[in-house]
Amino acid sequence: DTEVTQTPKHLVMGMTNKKSLKCEQHMGHRAMYWYKQKAKKPPELMFVYSYEKLSINESVPSRFSPECPNSSLLNLHLHALQPEDSALYLCASSQRTATIYYGYTFGSGTRLTVV
Amino acid sequence: AQSVTQLGSHVSVSEGALVLLRCNYSSSVPPYLFWYVQYPNQGLQLLLKYTTGATLVKGINGFEAEFKKSETSFHLTKPSAHMSDAAEYFCAVSDTGANSKLTFGKGITLSVRP
Repeated sequence: DTEVTQTPKHLVMGMTNKKSLKCEQHMGHRAMYWYKQKAKKPPELMFVYSYEKLSINESVPSRFSPECPNSSLLNLHLHALQPEDSALYLCASSQRTATIYYGYTFGSGTRLTVV
Repeated sequence: AQSVTQLGSHVSVSEGALVLLRCNYSSSVPPYLFWYVQYPNQGLQLLLKYTTGATLVKGINGFEAEFKKSETSFHLTKPSAHMSDAAEYFCAVSDTGANSKLTFGKGITLSVRP
């Protein structure tokens, strides 16, 4: 399995809702990432998990709450979002050894619309 | 800190013509360099990457890129454009640390004319 799977593919939520995005990989990668991408813009890093521990938080508002339950799963919990949070949310994973760097594998994303 | 510069926002070529997408990077340490392609409403697909070794890197779909340290460049080329190459292309750089971050250029849209 060489994929990163994201669910759902599309999500519409109200500003008072609570929802979660899910990301799963079975490549044995020990680093996982959440990126946010607005239309016609490059992806922007939100969070980095390394060995299931949060290692980087790019000053993301607390209405976004990441969780890494195990080495294969990464969740992004959403609460009280704003319309400007509407975007494509991308999950990625990566792995390196002492001699080989495998690079980043991205999922196909969740298209989030906040109404 | 690392950064990537992709000049211009849009490149248009005729089908069968050479594709050249430029990327320059800035990094205080030896970088890892990547090119990703994004089709409408999809995620990012890795075209190719440079980590170490040979500076001419071949990727999928006939693309290749050459790492030139003296010019801090990693330009993407394809000898003959195909209609299916129309997409958004991102150059990216990461460092070699354990918690490396992938930093993207602003991207460039490639259009292919029949």
